[in-house]
Amino acid sequence: GAVVSQHPSWVICKSGTSVKIECRSLDFQATTMFWYRQFPKQSLMLMATSNEGSKATYEQGVEKDKFLINHASLTLSTLTVTSAHPEDSSFYICSVQADTGELFFGEGSRLTVL
Amino acid sequence: AQSVTQLGSHVSVSEGALVLLRCNYSSSVPPYLFWYVQYPNQGLQLLLKYTSAATLVKGINGFEAEFKKSETSFHLTKPSAHMSDAAEYFCAVSVNSGNTPLVFGKGTRLSVIA
Repeated sequence: GAVVSQHPSWVICKSGTSVKIECRSLDFQATTMFWYRQFPKQSLMLMATSNEGSKATYEQGVEKDKFLINHASLTLSTLTVTSAHPEDSSFYICSVQADTGELFFGEGSRLTVL
Repeated sequence: AQSVTQLGSHVSVSEGALVLLRCNYSSSVPPYLFWYVQYPNQGLQLLLKYTSAATLVKGINGFEAEFKKSETSFHLTKPSAHMSDAAEYFCAVSVNSGNTPLVFGKGTRLSVIA
């Protein structure tokens, strides 16, 4: 069964609204989760590292005020795209790391901003 | 810093033919190397990984990859392609197995022709 669950799988929103994407670790507690972004036919680009109980670490060029990350519990991290615009349309994927070091990926959330 | 180069954004093979997807890496320290597969609108599934043990790594679905330090390569192969192998394949590198995000290549789309 799935180890990581993302919700929603698909979301369409109007420009200027905010969208929240959830990433849940189903099988184990995760102090660290990673958020990736994937443009069509391109690779995954790391956006930020989500740390339980502390602030996320953002990669260079990623606006932390635009992409709000909250890791309030050991099984849940959320990514909120604030004031979304069409250029934010993308496939967002989270990844959870087990104690063994193995990474498990969610099924992704496709965001379309009209 | 680590990086991954996947040669060929698109590879097309006939059903039953050999599959060879190329990956070269760059890392200042001994790397951990991974191959992931992504089906349309889905997250990533781990095919196999190299973690400094055996240089020939066998994965799921009949895939295997060989770590060649002298060539800084980690090419993915499968003796006989199946229609269900058609997907996007990503090579990734990490400097360790713990709490370090993966750096992905740009991906190679594999098409299998009947």
